[in-house]
Amino acid sequence: DAKTTQPTSMDCAEGRAANLPCNHSTISGNEYVYWYRQIHSQGPQYIIHGLKNNETNEMASLIITEDRKSSTLILPHATLRDTAVYYCIVAAGANNLFFGTGTRLTVIP
Amino acid sequence: AAGVIQSPRHLIKEKRETATLKCYPIPRHDTVYWYQQGPGQDPQFLISFYEKMQSDKGSIPDRFSAQQFSDYHSELNMSSLELGDSALYFCASSLPWFGPSSEQFFGPGTRLTVL
Repeated sequence: DAKTTQPTSMDCAEGRAANLPCNHSTISGNEYVYWYRQIHSQGPQYIIHGLKNNETNEMASLIITEDRKSSTLILPHATLRDTAVYYCIVAAGANNLFFGTGTRLTVIP
Repeated sequence: AAGVIQSPRHLIKEKRETATLKCYPIPRHDTVYWYQQGPGQDPQFLISFYEKMQSDKGSIPDRFSAQQFSDYHSELNMSSLELGDSALYFCASSLPWFGPSSEQFFGPGTRLTVL
């Protein structure tokens, strides 16, 4: 699986948009970009995934650059419950997930 | 909606004992994954099954074994437990891994403590 690079930590004010970047410069043509998050010791939770087009669901938006070498997860209105570790993972389908270090997002009141 | 069920939620064992963790996937999910998350670490993939056959293997110790049964539930068997096996063990399930892009749904985890 391609490696990803994410900032170790980020802060975001409650109610503001949280923009979490991810670099995946070695992504293969058949690999998707997945985002999961883990709220303190709970099971990881799927957020969103995409191949090359931008995607949006009820939780977040995913912006993938045209060359697919990086992406940004956007939480439009962060709440305190969004405080978690966010993992960007590239994988070919519902494959075995290789979790990197992730970004620890802290939403501040 | 039905979620992934794991049992037990907490387990305490002594060194050199054995432990069995169980996972019940979401109905119609035929692919099951096991992950181990040590204290302060990120989840690490152990092993996965599709249609009762092992589909991939990660960093699973030889002391551990797993299988998927005809009803698609899975069990992770751990023998000769060591202190370092203390961790959260997550099970996840999904639709066929080779199908269209799909997500994994994780269970709440089993917290294993080895004393």
